[in-house]
Amino acid sequence: NAGVTQTPKFQVLKTGQSMTLQCAQDMNHNSMYWYRQDPGMGLRLIYYSASEGTTDKGEVPNGYNVSRLNKREFSLRLESAAPSQTSVYFCASHIGDQPQHFGDGTRLSIL
Amino acid sequence: AQSVSQHNHHVILSEAASLELGCNYSYGGTVNLFWYVQYPGQHLQLLLKYFSGDPLVKGIKGFEAEFIKSKFSFNLRKPSVQWSDTAEYFCAVTPRGYNKLIFGAGTRLAVHP
Repeated sequence: NAGVTQTPKFQVLKTGQSMTLQCAQDMNHNSMYWYRQDPGMGLRLIYYSASEGTTDKGEVPNGYNVSRLNKREFSLRLESAAPSQTSVYFCASHIGDQPQHFGDGTRLSIL
Repeated sequence: AQSVSQHNHHVILSEAASLELGCNYSYGGTVNLFWYVQYPGQHLQLLLKYFSGDPLVKGIKGFEAEFIKSKFSFNLRKPSVQWSDTAEYFCAVTPRGYNKLIFGAGTRLAVHP
């Protein structure tokens, strides 16, 4: 899925550590999203960016921050990781009414 | 608040059986509807989408879905499943002109040979 690239693919953190998940898309999409996926809960929106220079909270923003660095890149930061943030994180992008394209995900474990 | 309900959390079928996965949404206005599939260890991929027109939508890999506006439903069907259809399936909705996808909780499908 060359369209949306996420790094890293796997990460293990200790409680209280910080880290940034990176996401880049090469499809010239305006909108970008960060989701977390937990068993039995589907995908829940953390933050999104409707266009370059704007960001908005989604359903579960607490404990996270985001930066829309430019049109291509949208990063997600955990300032002080907590075990409840153990999850699989997906970045997605789209333009207009078209379907969202998803990255391969980042599997994050917090001990 | 808008929501999406998927009725079955786990479905187990034998190969060649027919599949129907339920999806209902709560929103009174015009919506765009999607089914995504996630194969084990992979990212979400679009199976099919409905924006307008014929309410029976055909997607990839023999899947189809029917939009029934009066029932706020968008059920996914496949006449004959294969082992390779083992995956998790997500229904998602976007109210028209609204930037965000609302996902259902997902249905895990296991197909036994």
